[in-house]
Amino acid sequence: QKEVEQNSGPLSVPEGAIASLNCTYSDRVSQSFFWYRQYSGKSPELIMSIYSNGDKEDGRFTAQLNKASQYVSLLIRDSQPSDSATYLCAVRIYSSASKIIFGSGTRLSIRP
Amino acid sequence: EAQVTQNPRYLITVTGKKLTVTCSQNMNHEYMSWYRQDPGLGLRQIYYSMNVEVTDKGDVPEGYKVSRKEKRNFPLILESPSPNQTSLYFCASSLSGQGVYGYTFGSGTRLTVV
Repeated sequence: QKEVEQNSGPLSVPEGAIASLNCTYSDRVSQSFFWYRQYSGKSPELIMSIYSNGDKEDGRFTAQLNKASQYVSLLIRDSQPSDSATYLCAVRIYSSASKIIFGSGTRLSIRP
Repeated sequence: EAQVTQNPRYLITVTGKKLTVTCSQNMNHEYMSWYRQDPGLGLRQIYYSMNVEVTDKGDVPEGYKVSRKEKRNFPLILESPSPNQTSLYFCASSLSGQGVYGYTFGSGTRLTVV
C-alpha cells in the first residue's frame, strides 16, 4: 500500500463547477497535510496546508481533513480553465527526522 | 524575491561524467531537500538536510551525494551518472522540518544521461 494515494485522473469538470480532489494516507501519526498545484513542465506550488480536523478555506479553495478516516480532500469552487493542472497531495510524516511524502497526483481538466 | 534557485535548468551528459546541480535559497530556511520526479512514480525524496552539516538519506539515495556547508546552499552531486538517473530534479526548502511548513520548490533541472 502506498503511503499517500490519489486517483490519477484525469478528472474533468465543467467551468464554474466544484472540483473535488481526494487523498488517503496510511501513517496514523502524520503531522501536516498539503496540497500542491503543478502545471505541466513547472515546479509544484503550495496552495493549501492543513493540520487540524475540519475545513480550512482560502479563496476558492477548501481543504478538508479527517484524521480518523485518514483522508484529506481539496475542493475548488467556481473552477476556471486556469485551474487545469496536476494536484499533488503531500503528508508530513512524524519521526525524529520528519519528511514530506507526495502522492502521484490527480490531473484536473476544466472544460469551458 | 523569496526563491529557490536551481542550476542548470537543462543538462545532457554522458554516462560516468561527474556533475553537480546547484541549489540556493534566500529565505533562511533550515530544511532543504532534493526530489526526483518520474512519470507514474511521482516525487521521490533523494536526500534532505535539517540544517548545516546535517544530512540524511531519503527514499532513493543510491548514486547521489549531497553536502550542506552553508545554510543557503544544498548541491546535489552525481559522481558517476547512469541512464536510470535521467529525470526531472527539484530542490525544495522549508522554514523547518517540523510542523505546518510546506516546501518552496526550485524551477527544476531536467537531466538526461546518455
